[in-house]
Amino acid sequence: QLQLQESGPGLVKPSETLSLTCSVSGDSIITSNHYWGWIRQPPGKGLEWIGAFHYTENTFYNPSLKSRVTISVDTSKNQFSLRLTSVIAADTAMYYCARANQGWRHDYWGQGNLVTVSS
Amino acid sequence: SYELTQPPSVSVSPGQTANIICSGDNLGDKYVCWYQQKPGQSPVLVIYQDYKRPSGIPERLSGSNSGNTATLTISGTQSVDEADYFCQTWDSSTVIFGGGTKLTVL
Repeated sequence: QLQLQESGPGLVKPSETLSLTCSVSGDSIITSNHYWGWIRQPPGKGLEWIGAFHYTENTFYNPSLKSRVTISVDTSKNQFSLRLTSVIAADTAMYYCARANQGWRHDYWGQGNLVTVSS
Repeated sequence: SYELTQPPSVSVSPGQTANIICSGDNLGDKYVCWYQQKPGQSPVLVIYQDYKRPSGIPERLSGSNSGNTATLTISGTQSVDEADYFCQTWDSSTVIFGGGTKLTVL
């Protein structure tokens, strides 16, 4: 059974860098023909796609966040990570990692990691 | 940039049919999927490629997509269907979500 689990700090100061990791079990980031990505949801609001990568193909980012976002992969641990620089209060959100299957349907999600940006 | 528009809320009586719409320019030319999200939980994929259901999703949930509108239809709505529903598509190398619709079962 595929499982994704986010981990990282729950509190980040304004202007600093948010870093989260998604641990994947039950599938291989390297060999699976899927995209793996990040989606966030501010409290009480809707979903916002951050970006996604395929190990042998492209990496895509939301144009509105592209200048501040990097998604990277640690193949030895079957994990991928999110870095969001220069955070502001509006970056406060639940951050989900998810697998994107054919047609960009997100069929598996992590439980989410709430990140609050505050001094 | 491409946008998907959903009504903020829809109300339905138990046993009746709920239709949740998602609008976008020529949306019928793209694949649409739908997610259900209950309070405190992660979203769950309930419809993909316009009308297909993942395993475990009840048959009373169905989808369609034509013209500028995609529709999620819940037949014989039950209290367990009360949730937020989000549509999603892909355009210009970007995943796009609708703003979400809160379904209330009165």
